[in-house]
Amino acid sequence: DTTVKQNPRYKLARVGKPVNLICSQTMNHDTMYWYQKKPNQAPKLLLFYYDKILNREADTFEKFQSSRPNNSFCSLYIGSAGLEYSAMYLCASRDRVSNSDYTFGSGTRLLVI
Amino acid sequence: AQSVTQPDARVTVSEGASLQLRCKYSYFGTPYLFWYVQYPRQGLQLLLKYYPGDPVVQGVNGFEAEFSKSNSSFHLRKASVHWSDWAVYFCAVNSGTYQRFGTGTKLQVVP
Repeated sequence: DTTVKQNPRYKLARVGKPVNLICSQTMNHDTMYWYQKKPNQAPKLLLFYYDKILNREADTFEKFQSSRPNNSFCSLYIGSAGLEYSAMYLCASRDRVSNSDYTFGSGTRLLVI
Repeated sequence: AQSVTQPDARVTVSEGASLQLRCKYSYFGTPYLFWYVQYPRQGLQLLLKYYPGDPVVQGVNGFEAEFSKSNSSFHLRKASVHWSDWAVYFCAVNSGTYQRFGTGTKLQVVP
């Protein structure tokens, strides 16, 4: 199986409530990424895990959390959703050591109301 | 900073016609460049990639791209577009530990 799976496909959340998005891969890739995609904008990197090391972008540092309890699984957590979090969230994985291609999931479309 | 720019937000072509989608890059040194396609309700799929070498790279489904250092470009081409090519196309560049993307070009195919 060479896919990245994301759950749920669609997520509706209320302002101020937490949101947890899930991503999994079975390719034993060492690195997993989360991107945010808004209409007419480029996918923007939020954070990535290289093995167990989390790297977060400076401008989104306080807005998003993540965990990677094992190699296959990575979550994206929003503690208190705001309207500006409405977007498509794309998960990707790759193996940095072997310089593999990126594999992307189908995304989770989050709507905050 | 490393980046890519896709100047055309939307391109419309007739089925069977040729296609070029533009991508300009900004990079110190020789970049690694990529084209992805996103079909409706799907994730990004890799079409092709450029690693330093032959400037023309072949991809899936008849797509190819040409790297030009003098023009800082990596344009995507296809000789004959099919209706199933209707999608959004993203150009990307390796930027250290992750990929940076352009804003995408939405391709519409008309009869």
